[in-house]
Amino acid sequence: AQSVTQPDIHITVSEGASLELRCNYSYGATPYLFWYVQSPGQGLQLLLKYFSGDTLVQGIKGFEAEFKRSQSSFNLRKPSVHWSDAAEYFCAVGPLNTGFQKLVFGTGTRLLVSP
Amino acid sequence: SQTIHQWPATLVQPVGSPLSLECTVEGTSNPNLYWYRQAAGRGLQLLFYSVGIGQISSEVPQNLSASRPQDRQFILSSKKLLLSDSGFYLCAWSVGGRDEQYFGPGTRLTVT
Repeated sequence: AQSVTQPDIHITVSEGASLELRCNYSYGATPYLFWYVQSPGQGLQLLLKYFSGDTLVQGIKGFEAEFKRSQSSFNLRKPSVHWSDAAEYFCAVGPLNTGFQKLVFGTGTRLLVSP
Repeated sequence: SQTIHQWPATLVQPVGSPLSLECTVEGTSNPNLYWYRQAAGRGLQLLFYSVGIGQISSEVPQNLSASRPQDRQFILSSKKLLLSDSGFYLCAWSVGGRDEQYFGPGTRLTVT
């Protein structure tokens, strides 16, 4: 069965420091990978997605993620964190070749930004 | 442009009462529609999805049901709420297999 693991429940980063959020997946086919961000009490906003091509994907708000097939990972990075990045981040995986998305989400990583 | 609406934004209901949450999408046709539940400290759990009017697929056995009476309307219902139904309910839509899912603002349900 498909699964997504985000091993870090909470991460605290100083403002201006770099960030890496980990995501590992278990999937039997070529995956379609996403990172979403959720501010408190809000819906989810897509940061970036990967389905083929360059394994380093650029997203909104200065985020990027790298797909590493050999490690079954899709880690999210940002070189310099801003206080407004404090939120919960979800990694998700889905099937590439269906007419609809049936995504499996990780349990999320809550990012805290210290001054 | 496309927008997705959910209402109500918050809801407090007693155990055993009925539930109806509504989701509507504007600016697109024949979307795929999804209902998720997010419990505190947990990820998103897919409850139902629909690829067309009247077509509902259930992912998790529970006392909830979903209906799609119109192309861009998706309703989540229950006849009798349980305490365990408390959570944050998110509706989402997508078009095609490679497009992202767009999420609504969510409904916070507290069952007392």
